Amino acid sequence: QSALTQPASVSGSPGQSITIPCTGTFSDVGAHNYVSWYQQHPGKAPKLIIYEVRSRPSGVSNRFSGSKSGTTASLTISGLQPEDEADYYCNSYGYTGLFGGGTKVTV
Amino acid sequence: VQLVESGGGLVHPGGSLRVSCAASGFSFTAYWMDWLRQAPGKGLEWVAIINIDGSAKAYADSVNGRFTISRDNTENSLYLQMTGLRPDDTAIYYCARNRGFNSYDTWGLGTLVTVSS
Repeated sequence: QSALTQPASVSGSPGQSITIPCTGTFSDVGAHNYVSWYQQHPGKAPKLIIYEVRSRPSGVSNRFSGSKSGTTASLTISGLQPEDEADYYCNSYGYTGLFGGGTKVTV
Repeated sequence: VQLVESGGGLVHPGGSLRVSCAASGFSFTAYWMDWLRQAPGKGLEWVAIINIDGSAKAYADSVNGRFTISRDNTENSLYLQMTGLRPDDTAIYYCARNRGFNSYDTWGLGTLVTVSS
């Protein structure tokens, strides 16, 4: 299976909202509601910020939200802050693990 | 809740290495576990998964037949035995707790494996 498709980079100004799309197929993203998003700062391990398309783990800011339409899942960061500058990865449930290529967010 | 990887290092092409992951702070036997990796400057890549009692395993095509995932529930430990290592296996190897449906809620800090002559 091919990797999920994400834009290489997205940028925004402090306080703005940005959206990162993650495009798959009807065999993965479009087949269920098991899409997750991870935030990774340089030199650090990834951190789960969204699971099951739109659920947030305890302790994750409500500025992060997820959604899905058809074969595209999206992560929206509202009220962009300097500490949101990081790489973001989506992944989808499937027979084998599927990840997007990652999106570098610049604030 | 913590995962700590160890065992990374420099290995020659064709060589072998076993990396380990020590779990603590949660019921290890209740979770499927995965290995993932990240090559320098690249994205995340899923490597392997193992079920709670070790009876079911699956691997990425890129490592199938060369890597073996295992676990010791008496030691709360996860392992990845790597053989036939190639330069493109160079990466940080992370163990991760699978909360279900390939969603990873806990990650270790990773261990760096470098394959080079």
